[in-house]
Amino acid sequence: GAGVSQSPSNKVTEKGKDVELRCDPISGHTALYWYRQSLGQGLEFLIYFQGNSAPDKSGLPSDRFSAERTGGSVSTLTIQRTQQEDSAVYLCASSLMGVTTNEKLFFGSGTQLSVL
Amino acid sequence: KQEVTQIPAALSVPEGENLVLNCSFTDSAIYNLQWFRQDPGKGLTSLLLIQSSQREQTSGRLNASLDKSSGRSTLYIAASQPGDSATYLCAASEGNFNKFYFGSGTKLNVKP
Repeated sequence: GAGVSQSPSNKVTEKGKDVELRCDPISGHTALYWYRQSLGQGLEFLIYFQGNSAPDKSGLPSDRFSAERTGGSVSTLTIQRTQQEDSAVYLCASSLMGVTTNEKLFFGSGTQLSVL
Repeated sequence: KQEVTQIPAALSVPEGENLVLNCSFTDSAIYNLQWFRQDPGKGLTSLLLIQSSQREQTSGRLNASLDKSSGRSTLYIAASQPGDSATYLCAASEGNFNKFYFGSGTKLNVKP
């Protein structure tokens, strides 16, 4: 596609439910990032995928959070047993390669998650 | 872990003024630094990327500088316009690890 696509754009869920957030990166981009932006805060790194390498999961806040990337393209971020503190905007970004090739990050418009 | 700070948190200026946004980072072993713009309800748009070997980058009315030794970067906006109103974020990489650490942003309002 022309840009990074995220769905849904908005998600309202009840505490304790599971949610899945989807990211479709720019075609051909091998690097994919998930970030979380809480109200009035900066972006918090969650997870990074690069090609077929093992993902860097060091930013995931708890074991309720997981992510996968199928076929080196589409990624899904899953939050199990959602809590109110999970409410935030979840942003996905992609780049052609990783940091060391000095390429810009391209962000999607994000998914606004509200946990009631 | 890279700690990134942006000052000021908010800035309001009249149209036509030149302005400077500041970003500081704690780990000088960065690989590169990016400046982004975020409009309300939207994702981030990359404005400029400065490699660690560079001292500045320019795009139109924007100029970004990088001083690794002092852990600082500035974004200079010349002849500001109301359309420049947005939140500006800087992001510093952590060495050559594939992570970017973001500041909390500077919310800019350019008054007509």
